[in-house]
Amino acid sequence: NAGVTQTPKFQVLKTGQSMTLQCAQDMNHEYMSWYRQDPGMGLRLIHYSVGAGITDQGEVPNGYNVSRSTTEDFPLRLLSAAPSQTSVYFCASSYSLGSGGAVHTQYFGPGTRLTVL
Amino acid sequence: AQSVAQPEDQVNVAEGNPLTVKCTYSVSGNPYLFWYVQYPNRGLQFLLKYITGDNLVKGSYGFEAEFNKSQTSFHLKKPSALVSDSALYFCAAVYNFNKFYFGSGTKLNVKP
Repeated sequence: NAGVTQTPKFQVLKTGQSMTLQCAQDMNHEYMSWYRQDPGMGLRLIHYSVGAGITDQGEVPNGYNVSRSTTEDFPLRLLSAAPSQTSVYFCASSYSLGSGGAVHTQYFGPGTRLTVL
Repeated sequence: AQSVAQPEDQVNVAEGNPLTVKCTYSVSGNPYLFWYVQYPNRGLQFLLKYITGDNLVKGSYGFEAEFNKSQTSFHLKKPSALVSDSALYFCAAVYNFNKFYFGSGTKLNVKP
């Protein structure tokens, strides 16, 4: 198993450009999520999905869109990049967090380092 | 509001000494608590979690954590630190089964 993969590893954008960060997992996990990591702020949840066709907002969703057409893929779209979106982005997946009261461990991808000029 | 606090930005400890990384939480209902570790330029790796049961949870690499409901804390501990334990440690709490709340992270420095 490859686990959780993210592409690209690095990206530089100009203000106003759009792009999609890719995330894929091969563990048949229902739950997938996107976080951004900023110094001194830990990880903040952007969007999450509990299954194909179902997405919801996290703490900091503004400026980002997601969709979940398959179990495996969960792309994150930046509609019009801004310098405030300069960050490291992590995708994670797990079995359903709420299944039968069990809470499952999230597995994280290696991250995408995004710079917006 | 749901939140997780890690009051120390950095913890310094000598190799062989015990270490503690502190975490407190504010999550309504029954908390599900996690510790993750991040090495430079890497994603987060799972260390341990508390769901229910015994308040002392044992995890990977000799780490353990103690859940204290009255103090709303979930401190990470290890009896004898290694230089290789130097990394960034994150505490996290799950709210409503769907959302993880992470602390700001604590940088652990273990000196030889």
